Amino acid sequence: IAGITQAPTSQILAAGRRMTLRCTQDMRHNAMYWYRQDLGLGLRLIHYSNTAGTTGKGEVPDGYSVSRANTDDFPLTLASAVPSQTSVYFCASSERTGSGYTFGSGTRLTVV
Amino acid sequence: ILNVEQSPQSLHVQEGDSTNFTCSFPSSNFYALHWYRWETAKSPEALFVMTLNGDEKKKGRISATLNTKEGYSYLYIKGSQPEDSATYLCAFRNTGNQFYFGTGTSLTVIP
Repeated sequence: IAGITQAPTSQILAAGRRMTLRCTQDMRHNAMYWYRQDLGLGLRLIHYSNTAGTTGKGEVPDGYSVSRANTDDFPLTLASAVPSQTSVYFCASSERTGSGYTFGSGTRLTVV
Repeated sequence: ILNVEQSPQSLHVQEGDSTNFTCSFPSSNFYALHWYRWETAKSPEALFVMTLNGDEKKKGRISATLNTKEGYSYLYIKGSQPEDSATYLCAFRNTGNQFYFGTGTSLTVIP
């Protein structure tokens, strides 16, 4: 692993199903973030974690949950997917809160 | 919701032309302005982090300037090449360490 790994790279999901997007980093960065990217809206922050054991809500947190049990992993869970959650999801990390980001390669999720 | 605006939304230039685009952000509670280069099917890659009014950063043919008093940053590309084709994204970071991304400027360099 070098940097941030996201899995899966893409997924088609039936509405109402539960889904966890995985994000793992090997840089020992303290802060991690989940963004969604929608056409014309740029990147919008869903949830963030400033350090292991803590999480916070971003701009568009509804319908999503996260956990940060350790430094490396920051999974994003959709408890019951809806079509409006169709998007490209990017995980990012930074050495500390507010420093420059390293991004993962994204997960393209389609909810049908 | 805080507005970070980028213009133009898209740009087509001929190879060899120089070009520039703008990121506008709130002038209050400024901490830093980040520029990213985002190629299709890849993840955003950090270009510059700018913190001081009047800052100018350069990386090869790409440079950026910052005006925190009026709330804008310019990104310049000198002698554009096809490999410069990408979306250029800016992100405003406030004193609360929150990031707000613009929607990007999509640059296409025509050989």
